[in-house]
Amino acid sequence: EDQVTQSPEALRLQEGESSSLNCSYTVSGLRGLFWYRQDPGKGPEFLFTLYSAGEEKEKERLKATLTKKESFLHITAPKPEDSATYLCAVQARYDYKLSFGAGTTVTVRA
Amino acid sequence: ETGVTQTPRHLVMGMTNKKSLKCEQHLGHNAMYWYKQSAKKPLELMFVYNFKEQTENNSVPSRFSPECPNSSHLFLHLHTLQPEDSALYLCASSQPAGDRETQYFGPGTRLLVL
Repeated sequence: EDQVTQSPEALRLQEGESSSLNCSYTVSGLRGLFWYRQDPGKGPEFLFTLYSAGEEKEKERLKATLTKKESFLHITAPKPEDSATYLCAVQARYDYKLSFGAGTTVTVRA
Repeated sequence: ETGVTQTPRHLVMGMTNKKSLKCEQHLGHNAMYWYKQSAKKPLELMFVYNFKEQTENNSVPSRFSPECPNSSHLFLHLHTLQPEDSALYLCASSQPAGDRETQYFGPGTRLLVL
């Protein structure tokens, strides 16, 4: 069974204080690893898909990286508007279903 | 309207009520999903429809009944729910496309069962 573990559960940052979120996974052949951002009371918003180890993707202050066992979401010089819950999900090869982690809630203080 | 829309956004119902959640996608996708999100827990997949056919029922109680009349619309009919069914119900859609398939989510319906 596919498993996704995200750490830490919560992260409080000062504006400008860079940090990283971790997503550890086990899957029977990775098809894709997905990062989503979710604001309170809203649906998840797609950020990135990573398909193979060594792949990196960037969007504004966010950078996602992938190894064979985990993915990191790096937040560089965060701003208060980066406050959200970040969700990680994996999709196994030959399957369309996503297995989600419980998320990391990031709070950035001005 | 763009993306995935859901109505209502908030719903309060008693345990004996019958209500329906509606989802509509404007992305031209052919797969639609219902998820349940409870506090501090991972998203739980409930149902999957591909080209209007149900392809997944993840051991969901029969008090939840999905309906997919076409590739753009998805309903979740609710009856005799329990308080533990209170959660955020999310709809998503995707376009089956080999190795490149991303699910896009709606804003969700916040359900409270009294």
